[in-house]
Amino acid sequence: GAGVSQTPSNKVTEKGKYVELRCDPISGHTALYWYRQSLGQGPEFLIYFQGTGAADDSGLPNDRFFAVRPEGSVSTLKIQRTERGDSAVYLCASSRTPRGGGTDTQYFGPGTRLTVL
Amino acid sequence: TQLLEQSPQFLSIQEGENLTVYCNSSSVFSSLQWYRQEPGEGPVLLVTVVTGGEVKKLKRLTFQFGDARKDSSLHITAAQPGDTGLYLCAGALGSWGKLQFGAGTQVVVTP
Repeated sequence: GAGVSQTPSNKVTEKGKYVELRCDPISGHTALYWYRQSLGQGPEFLIYFQGTGAADDSGLPNDRFFAVRPEGSVSTLKIQRTERGDSAVYLCASSRTPRGGGTDTQYFGPGTRLTVL
Repeated sequence: TQLLEQSPQFLSIQEGENLTVYCNSSSVFSSLQWYRQEPGEGPVLLVTVVTGGEVKKLKRLTFQFGDARKDSSLHITAAQPGDTGLYLCAGALGSWGKLQFGAGTQVVVTP
């Protein structure tokens, strides 16, 4: 399809393990965003890419979280030494161009539900 | 911590009734967006409001941005079961428009 896709849809891991979550944005979208949504909450911003570079990573909670977008398309969110508190739905979104004022439409993927046991 | 407070948290109404969801903040936003999210899916944009005092209508949905660009409301007229979902507001801040989301209002419309 033409939408944002995320894999896997569900990931169950054990405390202390390493996980990678993948996002395939809409073709041609230069901006890519990662969010985390905990139960009963709205999405919380993690990181924003413009092309290959992280333009704003102020939402990453600590240095266990890292994200890359080496070719300016697919992005991978990496979480080291997972903790139970990392359990959430991780959402990815993409948009054509980042415009000031936040008026550009972000298209969200279905998310990856991460459960850390 | 979420900058945007949404109320109510949960709303259950009968088909045909009207409802209003509120989104409030002490921060001034350059724009504000409303989304609807279904279970197992990502949020889908409904509308963006940019100008203080702006009112936008989308069929039975009416969106209003406060004069001071700190608050917004979503009003649904004659709600239908298809309106059921989690409604999220998000305000844009900063030079590139980082979105700050509210916690959402879960709306359930029963036939």
